[in-house]
Amino acid sequence: NAGVMQNPRHLVRRRGQEARLRCSPMKGHSHVYWYRQLPEEGLKFMVYLQKENIIDESGMPKERFSAEFPKEGPSILRIQQVVRGDSAAYFCASSPPAGRSTEAFFGQGTRLTVV
Amino acid sequence: GENVEQHPSTLSVQEGDSAVIKCTYSDSASNYFPWYKQELGKRPQLIIDIRSNVGEKKDQRIAVTLNKTAKHFSLHITETQPEDSAVYFCAASSSSNTGKLIFGQGTTLQVKP
Repeated sequence: NAGVMQNPRHLVRRRGQEARLRCSPMKGHSHVYWYRQLPEEGLKFMVYLQKENIIDESGMPKERFSAEFPKEGPSILRIQQVVRGDSAAYFCASSPPAGRSTEAFFGQGTRLTVV
Repeated sequence: GENVEQHPSTLSVQEGDSAVIKCTYSDSASNYFPWYKQELGKRPQLIIDIRSNVGEKKDQRIAVTLNKTAKHFSLHITETQPEDSAVYFCAASSSSNTGKLIFGQGTTLQVKP
């Protein structure tokens, strides 16, 4: 089991460009969560997805940010028209379907730098 | 919504001493409380967790206590070693699926040799 895989590990974008962050959950996991960690701060919940469904997006900024978890392929966190304040580490976590285990496993993160 | 407060923000101890980090939560419906260790530039890694039906849990040098009435929980590390130096985060979850976590602000632990 390869664990939660995120790519790219590092991403540099100029202001105004788009950033696409990918997350492949652990095998057998159907729930994906995205968190953002600003420098020297804690992790902030952004969005919770299951296959083809957004379950909870209460932590997502209202504009420029979107997330999806298609039937096939990885979950994508998309940031349009990036600004300097979007520079952060973005972590994805996955967990099994409810009723099985409880632990959320984190990926290595994508470090986004906006220049 | 849920809010988690964590103290202290930094903690420096001598090798061999104990370290205690405390967290409080606001949502009485919270029922799962994990602790994560994050080394510089790396992912958060679960070190111990506790559920609301248990008051204490221990794993070698690490223990966690939970006081549901007071809505606080603590991490205790005994016989600290330099490799324990990292940022520690507490978290709480009130959903049936524990992947949605509300994190504390983090504690930077430094263990001096």
